[in-house]
Amino acid sequence: DAKTTQPPSMDCAEGRAANLPCNHSTISGNEYVYWYRQIHSQGPQYIIHGLKNNETNEMASLIITEDRKSSTLILPHATLRDTAVYYCIVRVGGTSYDKVIFGPGTSLSVIP
Amino acid sequence: EAQVTQNPRYLITVTGKKLTVTCSQNMNHEYMSWYRQDPGLGLRQIYYSMNVEVTDKGDVPEGYKVSRKEKRNFPLILESPSPNQTSLYFCASRPRSNQPQHFGDGTRLSIL
Repeated sequence: DAKTTQPPSMDCAEGRAANLPCNHSTISGNEYVYWYRQIHSQGPQYIIHGLKNNETNEMASLIITEDRKSSTLILPHATLRDTAVYYCIVRVGGTSYDKVIFGPGTSLSVIP
Repeated sequence: EAQVTQNPRYLITVTGKKLTVTCSQNMNHEYMSWYRQDPGLGLRQIYYSMNVEVTDKGDVPEGYKVSRKEKRNFPLILESPSPNQTSLYFCASRPRSNQPQHFGDGTRLSIL
């Protein structure tokens, strides 16, 4: 099963870009990378996902390396409300199963 | 409003007393999943369903049952709850296999 590794914690100054790395060295060619975040004990919130091209939406940017073995989530101007646990996951699935594996994530603290 | 609704949000009960946590989504999603979240262990998938009448085990299915009689509902059943099932539970749904999941707000269960 493709799994991910992330640093357990990071700090970022308010207003600066937060760059959260994720390693997924065993990813398969048709597996997507997804990013979610969880604030306190709320339900995880979807941020962005991608296959091999870089992606951008109103919340963040996702940079995936050419070999697809790692990716970086970028929050361009971090605010205090971005303090959360960020999960990078790779969907393990095919046409007959839909397992999803969450790692422990990165706890991001945005500091005033 | 598109949402995944879980009930109850909080429940304290006793060992052995059967309980059901309901999950309903109004987005016509095919895929649904249940997760539990425990401190230090992250989110772990309990069961998932890829369509009506199609369910399968996730990583931690022991002690749980599910059913998918209609597309919108995916209840989680604890036939004989035990204290080690005290946890925070999340239901999620997604429209297609590579689309992101939408999570409910969570159900906090305490089994005494």
